[in-house]
Amino acid sequence: DAGVTQSPTHLIKTRGQQVTLRCSPKSGHDTVSWYQQALGQGPQFIFQYYEEEERQRGNFPDRFSGHQFPNYSSELNVNALLLGDSALYLCASSLIGGTFSYNEQFFGPGTRLTVL
Amino acid sequence: KQEVTQIPAALSVPEGENLVLNCSFTDSAIYNLQWFRQDPGKGLTSLLLIQSSQREQTSGRLNASLDKSSGRSTLYIAASQPGDSATYLCAGFRYGQNFVFGPGTRLSVLP
Repeated sequence: DAGVTQSPTHLIKTRGQQVTLRCSPKSGHDTVSWYQQALGQGPQFIFQYYEEEERQRGNFPDRFSGHQFPNYSSELNVNALLLGDSALYLCASSLIGGTFSYNEQFFGPGTRLTVL
Repeated sequence: KQEVTQIPAALSVPEGENLVLNCSFTDSAIYNLQWFRQDPGKGLTSLLLIQSSQREQTSGRLNASLDKSSGRSTLYIAASQPGDSATYLCAGFRYGQNFVFGPGTRLSVLP
């Protein structure tokens, strides 16, 4: 049973560019959350997708957008990259189903984004 | 706004010691609390999840407790090993809100 997978592993971009990160949830999970983790800090919640809709959003600008596909996989898009966007981007999946109870989150290995 | 703190920020112990990591949160209405381990440059590995109706969870040498009234969770690691060296993060979740992470405790277990 594959866990949460993310691609690419590493990415280098320059300021002003756009980037797309991808995540496939753990088998049987229906919800994907994205986090940004700066060096030496805990992850910061970006947003969560359930049933192909953004369900919750953290304190991130509109430059950060996402999408969830019918197979539950998800993309994180960041436009107009800034140096401060350099971080480890983590994807987590969980099973919410119809109850909106929050079960255990499982994380992927992350995508290391470097903005030059 | 939910805030999560972790004490100590860093800890170095000799192999074989029992140790305690602390996590404090400001919102007593927390629903779930989850402990994670993170190796340098890697993703997070779930260690223990304590749900709202529970007070503690155990897995092998790890035991985590949750006291919502005092806003505290404790991760106990028995007979520490060099392979336990990593950063340990706690994250609290309140129903209808998102997960909030603490900054982590960086643990080094010396052989």
